[in-house]
Amino acid sequence: GAVVSQHPSRVICKSGTSVKIECRSLDFQATTMFWYRQFPKQSLMLMATSNEGSKATYEQGVEKDKFLINHASLTLSTLTVTSAHPEDSSFYICSAPWGGPHNEQFFGPGTRLTVL
Amino acid sequence: EDKVVQSPLSLVVHEGDTVTLNCSYEVTNFRSLLWYKQEKKAPTFLFMLTSSGIEKKSGRLSSILDKKELFSILNITATQTGDSAVYLCAPVVHQFYFGTGTSLTVIP
Repeated sequence: GAVVSQHPSRVICKSGTSVKIECRSLDFQATTMFWYRQFPKQSLMLMATSNEGSKATYEQGVEKDKFLINHASLTLSTLTVTSAHPEDSSFYICSAPWGGPHNEQFFGPGTRLTVL
Repeated sequence: EDKVVQSPLSLVVHEGDTVTLNCSYEVTNFRSLLWYKQEKKAPTFLFMLTSSGIEKKSGRLSSILDKKELFSILNITATQTGDSAVYLCAPVVHQFYFGTGTSLTVIP
C-alpha cells in the first residue's frame, strides 16, 4: 500500500514555542491531506483538511491561527502548532487518500507532542 | 450534525471467541464507510464498504454495511491476542469522521 511519513515522531517543547509537523506522501500525490488529533483513550478527531494550492478547511472549534496548515506541494503538508501550551500536548496524525479524497486513507505514524 | 457511535466502547474476550463490533452513523452525503484497526500508533486499513448487504472478508475478519438502517458491523472470529486493538469506523462524507472506537482486549 501507499506510504505516508510524518516527522518528527516525537517532540517536546517549551510553552510558548512553535512546533512544525510534516506529513509526506512518499509514493503518491495527494491534493488533499487530513490532520487529526487524538487524546489518550479517545478516537481521532479531525482538525482540518489540507488542500494543495488553497486554504485549509478547519473543523468547528479548531483555531486556524493556532494550527497553521500549509500544503506546500502534492506530497507535503505541514501543521504548525503556534505558541504551544500544555493543553496542546497530544498525538497528531495525518492521512492522505490514495486515488481521490473519498478513498482509502493512508495514515502517517503520528507525532507525539508534549508541551512543558 | 454528523454523528458516529460505536458499541461496545470496550470488550474483553478470551482467545477463540467471536466478537461483533457495531458502528451506527447519522451523516449527510454518505459515500462509504471504512474500518480501521489502531494498535499503538496510526490506524491501519481493514475494509471499505460502499454497498449494502455485501460482506467483505479478510481472513477471520468480515464486515457488512446496511445503508438503510445506517450501521455497519465488524466480525472477528476465532480471536487471537494480536487482535487486541481499538477498532474505528469512519463514514466518509466530505471528510473522514471517526467513531468513538471499540477497544478490544483478547485474553490468552
